[in-house]
Amino acid sequence: EPEVTQTPSHQVTQMGQEVILRCVPISNHLYFYWYRQILGQKVEFLVSFYNNEISEKSEIFDDQFSVERPDGSNFTLKIRSTKLEDSAMYFCASSVSSGGSLQYFGPGTRLTVT
Amino acid sequence: KNEVEQSPQNLTAQEGEFITINCSYSVGISALHWLQQHPGGGIVSLFMLSSGKKKHGRLIATINIQEKHSSLHITASHPRDSAVYICAVRSGNEKLTFGTGTRLTIIP
Repeated sequence: EPEVTQTPSHQVTQMGQEVILRCVPISNHLYFYWYRQILGQKVEFLVSFYNNEISEKSEIFDDQFSVERPDGSNFTLKIRSTKLEDSAMYFCASSVSSGGSLQYFGPGTRLTVT
Repeated sequence: KNEVEQSPQNLTAQEGEFITINCSYSVGISALHWLQQHPGGGIVSLFMLSSGKKKHGRLIATINIQEKHSSLHITASHPRDSAVYICAVRSGNEKLTFGTGTRLTIIP
C-alpha cells in the first residue's frame, strides 16, 4: 500500500540553524500539508500546498518557515533560523483532493532544537 | 475560530466493551476527520465525514451537523485499539483544527 515517507525520523539542531524536513507524498496525490505537534499538545496545522503554491497557512507559519516541492516528488519544510520553541514532531500529509478525501500522514520527524 | 472539544479525555475499558468517544465543535464545518495516533506517534486517518454515518470494520463514525457533534464508536474493543483518538474539523479552505484527543486504554 502506498505511504507517505518522511526523513529524517529525528533531527537535532542548534538554535539559529536552518533545518529542512523532507517528505515524499503518495504519488498520485495533489494536496500536501505540514502539521506540527509539540510534546503533550494537540496537532496544529501549519500549511497546505497545491499546484506548486501555498493554498493556506496558519499564524504559526511565519517568515521563518517555507515549503517547496523541488522535484515533483519531494515536499520540504524549511525552518530558516530555529528557535527552542520549534522543537516538536512535524508531520507531512497528502491527499488526492482537498475537502473530499482522507489525508494520509507520514510517520513524522522529531525536531529537537538545543 | 473553531473550538473542538473531545470527551472523555481519558477512557479505560475492558476488552470487548463498546466504546464511544465524542467530539463537539463551535462553528459550522465542511468536513470532520477522525484520526488515530499510536503510542509511537504515528497518525492514521480513520474517517472523513460531512454527513450521516460511516463504518469500517469495528469502527463507526456518526455526525450530526445541526448539533455540531460527532461520535466515534468501537465495537468489541481489543487491546490493540489502545491509542489516542483525535477529532479534527475543516471549516473553510484547507486548515484542519484539531481536538486534544481521547486516550483510550483497553485492558485484556
